[in-house]
Amino acid sequence: DQQVKQNSPSLSVQEGRISILNCDYTNSMFDYFLWYKKYPAEGPTFLISISSIKDKNEDGRFTVFLNKSAKHLSLHIVPSQPGDSAVYFCAAIIQGAQKLVFGQGTRLTINP
Amino acid sequence: ETGVTQSPTHLIKTRGQQVTLRCSSQSGHNTVSWYQQALGQGPQFIFQYYREEENGRGNFPPRFSGLQFPNYSSELNVNALELDDSALYLCASSPGLAGAPRGQFFGPGTRLTVL
Repeated sequence: DQQVKQNSPSLSVQEGRISILNCDYTNSMFDYFLWYKKYPAEGPTFLISISSIKDKNEDGRFTVFLNKSAKHLSLHIVPSQPGDSAVYFCAAIIQGAQKLVFGQGTRLTINP
Repeated sequence: ETGVTQSPTHLIKTRGQQVTLRCSSQSGHNTVSWYQQALGQGPQFIFQYYREEENGRGNFPPRFSGLQFPNYSSELNVNALELDDSALYLCASSPGLAGAPRGQFFGPGTRLTVL
């Protein structure tokens, strides 16, 4: 039962352009949604999160949008930089529960 | 502030053997969670320890067990290793049970290969 899905295994974007990573979920009980970034040989690092009561959260070049009716969220990175090349995981959590539920990840490659 | 550390970095075992992986949580964090990340997949929750007690478990068999120590460091033990146990094992710590809004803080992982 895959409660969080990232349907694009990979994405290639030109430097300076916008990167849009997508994530779908099935469990309406999730309270928070998070994006993690992972470089090879490192653990996932927290990037940005959004509460289920909001529809947008912005932090510098990163913006997360949440569409609760569609059970869909997206991460926008603008402008994209070479250092953004990594695997991005969407995750969700029910407040007070123990576990983060992760999607399969999307490998983002920023081309010069 | 010291982040989450894990040891060893890599490990090779044979089927049927037992393995112990170790994790030191970030300073001030009393909750440790373990995740298994198979190749091409997202991390899957194994279990969580809070103040030395197991506090939730994912869909993993009993041969996956753990411990948390008074200094909040933790061990993951896997008995009777199977080929499918080959994965990256991630430890994550957090200050208390709440995992939001900043989620959990992950270590670099231990890459386990079972032959």
